[in-house]
Amino acid sequence: NAGVTQTPKFRVLKTGQSMTLLCAQDMNHEYMYWYRQDPGMGLRLIHYSVGEGTTAKGEVPDGYNVSRLKKQNFLLGLESAAPSQTSVYFCASNTRTTGNTEAFFGQGTRLTVV
Amino acid sequence: GQSLEQPSEVTAVEGAIVQINCTYQTSGFYGLSWYQQHDGGAPTFLSYNALDGLEETGRFSSFLSRSDSYGYLLLQELQMKDSASYFCAVRDHPSGYSTLTFGKGTMLLVSP
Repeated sequence: NAGVTQTPKFRVLKTGQSMTLLCAQDMNHEYMYWYRQDPGMGLRLIHYSVGEGTTAKGEVPDGYNVSRLKKQNFLLGLESAAPSQTSVYFCASNTRTTGNTEAFFGQGTRLTVV
Repeated sequence: GQSLEQPSEVTAVEGAIVQINCTYQTSGFYGLSWYQQHDGGAPTFLSYNALDGLEETGRFSSFLSRSDSYGYLLLQELQMKDSASYFCAVRDHPSGYSTLTFGKGTMLLVSP
């Protein structure tokens, strides 16, 4: 019973490098989200998806791109990493069923940009 | 825009009761949720209120007043393992392009 799985768990990048974070969920959820968490800032929404093939911008989308080609996967890309993108990234998913708002989170990806 | 306010830190002793408040200003509202996070790990769901009133789940209860844009999480019989960060979160729509917006979190420190 995997739930939400994020890959990788840790990564160090040099400024200007690119990378893709993968989020996979096995609960057949329609909604998927990418958040970043910085000290004292809580969880801030980067991008989200309400279904396969759809994506939308959240609160802090600049510098990131996403894709949802398959319902179970949500990819977050950094095209040219900057030190300001050093953060912990969490993926979450939940169902579209009205009234059910429980979101399930992955274990996080700890990214350092030097 | 979306804005959720909660205290940054709360301290209490084992066995006590503590209340963590959350006030929100959001463009849409479809329920207030609470999440717990230990040591930077994955946040986990605690409770959800869509309607006014109190929801009870074991030692934890959550309250919502939509007219006051206010809610709280009540933790009873505190245990050391309850030391964690607690986040309130608002869903803005029941379906469609629905987002989950989080507050900045309240760190609860439980001492012996």
